[in-house]
Amino acid sequence: GDSVTQMEGPVTLSEEAFLTINCTYTATGYPSLFWYVQYPGEGLQLLLKATKADDKGSNKGFEATYRKETTSFHLEKGSVQVSDSAVYFCALSDGYSGAGSYQLTFGKGTKLSVIP
Amino acid sequence: DAGVIQSPRHEVTEMGQEVTLRCKPISGHDYLFWYRQTMMRGLELLIYFNNNVPIDDSGMPEDRFSAKMPNASFSTLKIQPSEPRDSAVYFCASSLRVGAYEQYFGPGTRLTVT
Repeated sequence: GDSVTQMEGPVTLSEEAFLTINCTYTATGYPSLFWYVQYPGEGLQLLLKATKADDKGSNKGFEATYRKETTSFHLEKGSVQVSDSAVYFCALSDGYSGAGSYQLTFGKGTKLSVIP
Repeated sequence: DAGVIQSPRHEVTEMGQEVTLRCKPISGHDYLFWYRQTMMRGLELLIYFNNNVPIDDSGMPEDRFSAKMPNASFSTLKIQPSEPRDSAVYFCASSLRVGAYEQYFGPGTRLTVT
């Protein structure tokens, strides 16, 4: 079945440091890929997404490129801020033909702490 | 729109008691999802609905768990009887469609069963 593997945390960075959180996936079809972020005490919210190979999703300075050849969707940010401290989840959505069950598969999450 | 609304935000109950969690999805969204989040198991999909009809409940841990969606604007997740291992944060999410569409999550209900 589909699966998502992301780097284990926690990750601690100083403000303005470069961030990379690795994410690789296994899927049988052509999934859509997502990064969700969860701030303390809140639900998950979509950070960015990409729906086909070579697409780049971007939002709030974060970027991720859908790499089909390496089955990866790594999250990057050039300069992190204290306000970026949160848990980041990589996820994939399998193709949905209208028949069968739909599934959004999440990675285990990576906790990021940014210190001033 | 107010987003996905969940109540209560926190619930503390004793083992054996019935617990009911509530969710109001975003108006117009056809899909509603219930998730459970724990440190050990991460985020797990319990059940989801399409147009108020349960489509996949294979993630429901056991018969003590049940979920209903009597109309497009309301869903409940019930645990009866509750056990300490049910302690977790329960999220409700809704989406317009599935596939490439975003899921919008509620703030969650933190359940503690003593």
